[in-house]
Amino acid sequence: GQQLNQSPQSMFIQEGEDVSMNCTSSSIFNTWLWYKQDPGEGPVLLIALYKAGELTSNGRLTAQFGITRKDSFLNISASIPSDVGIYFCAGHMKGGAQKLVFGQGTRLTINP
Amino acid sequence: GAVVSQHPSRVICKSGTSVKIECRSLDFQATTMFWYRQFPKQSLMLMATSNEGSKATYEQGVEKDKFLINHASLTLSTLTVTSAHPEDSSFYICSARAPDRGDTEAFFGQGTRLTVV
Repeated sequence: GQQLNQSPQSMFIQEGEDVSMNCTSSSIFNTWLWYKQDPGEGPVLLIALYKAGELTSNGRLTAQFGITRKDSFLNISASIPSDVGIYFCAGHMKGGAQKLVFGQGTRLTINP
Repeated sequence: GAVVSQHPSRVICKSGTSVKIECRSLDFQATTMFWYRQFPKQSLMLMATSNEGSKATYEQGVEKDKFLINHASLTLSTLTVTSAHPEDSSFYICSARAPDRGDTEAFFGQGTRLTVV
């Protein structure tokens, strides 16, 4: 079952606003990955994080690997209509072999 | 780089027939690929890990005789849904880990929408 708690489950914002979502776990993770999924498509990798405390940006997206290795957040600045979609956090648990564990997803809706 | 292609993107089949879905890594070799199933408005559920040249590893509760996985080459894994029934209708997605990305970043195919009628 799911071992990552992702929140919020959904967000309704105005275009231009900043967005923040996060994932937490009771387990330690070795990597954190953030994906975006559009309807009817597979997830697309946005940002990959490898070290505790790591802060990485990809354009208007910024993600951080929590110091405790049990959490991560993703921020989107100055949202635009094409940011609409479902965002998933995922990670490789310590001792979890090759499996990726996924969060429940955050559905982002933007009002123009 | 790190492109994963899945085919077909959607398929409709009759109940009782079998359907094969292909997953290809186009610009890298993948010794391991993963197959997921996704229900509407839900997250991805790992079904099995596909290992090149050996048997797939199935997650608990996934019927290996129903979801046949073959990983015959370093660039191709196939998932065959045998004797499909309407409850098998779902969105199936494959992924592969790219060795040149530290073997940790997973790249996904476009997904296959299976509808069993």
